[in-house]
Amino acid sequence: ETGVTQTPRHLVMGMTNKKSLKCEQHLGHNAMYWYKQSAKKPLELMFVYSLEERVENNSVPSRFSPECPNSSHLFLHLHTLQPEDSALYLCASSQDRGSPNIQYFGAGTRLSVL
Amino acid sequence: AQSVTQLDSQVPVFEEAPVELRCNYSSSVSVYLFWYVQYPNQGLQLLLKYLSGSTLVKGINGFEAEFNKSQTSFHLRKPSVHISDTAEYFCAVVSGGSYIPTFGRGTSLIVHP
Repeated sequence: ETGVTQTPRHLVMGMTNKKSLKCEQHLGHNAMYWYKQSAKKPLELMFVYSLEERVENNSVPSRFSPECPNSSHLFLHLHTLQPEDSALYLCASSQDRGSPNIQYFGAGTRLSVL
Repeated sequence: AQSVTQLDSQVPVFEEAPVELRCNYSSSVSVYLFWYVQYPNQGLQLLLKYLSGSTLVKGINGFEAEFNKSQTSFHLRKPSVHISDTAEYFCAVVSGGSYIPTFGRGTSLIVHP
């Protein structure tokens, strides 16, 4: 149990579907992150939320839409995705935004876009 | 700007043999260094970290790493590996001016019986 729970663990969707990924952390942390992990590429930081405010958006296409309703929950809303968006999406949390930034990861959602 | 290079994409080794996974970083300021491990179908978990002090850092599962400032390296070592150590290992750096870690591409450690 890592303290960060992601659902669903696997998701298959068509390019016209709308779906959402959910992340919940039970660690009392103030910062949460979305990463994209593709095979043999470095983790790509997508979004950062600190105290429910979005503080980073790394040029992510608008077909990905994050939401952070409170410091324990983070969502990633997906619509009209492309096959190249197939990847493992990881959620992480940290105590705050300051250094050193030790991150705690969920198990990820394996997304396949058909 | 900070960057991380993991020189080996895959390291095969026999059980009970020693292993070293290499990591080099570039940064113009002081750094914090991390190794994370990702087991199949799981997220990343912290293996060990260097923040300050002793350059030899011990982590979980018998792993250790040594911070070498002159060579800008933070190699991960284990004297005797087990089958259960088969996983993907990621090196990460956080520079003093940033709070976001930069991850390497990962090294796949494959332990054979």
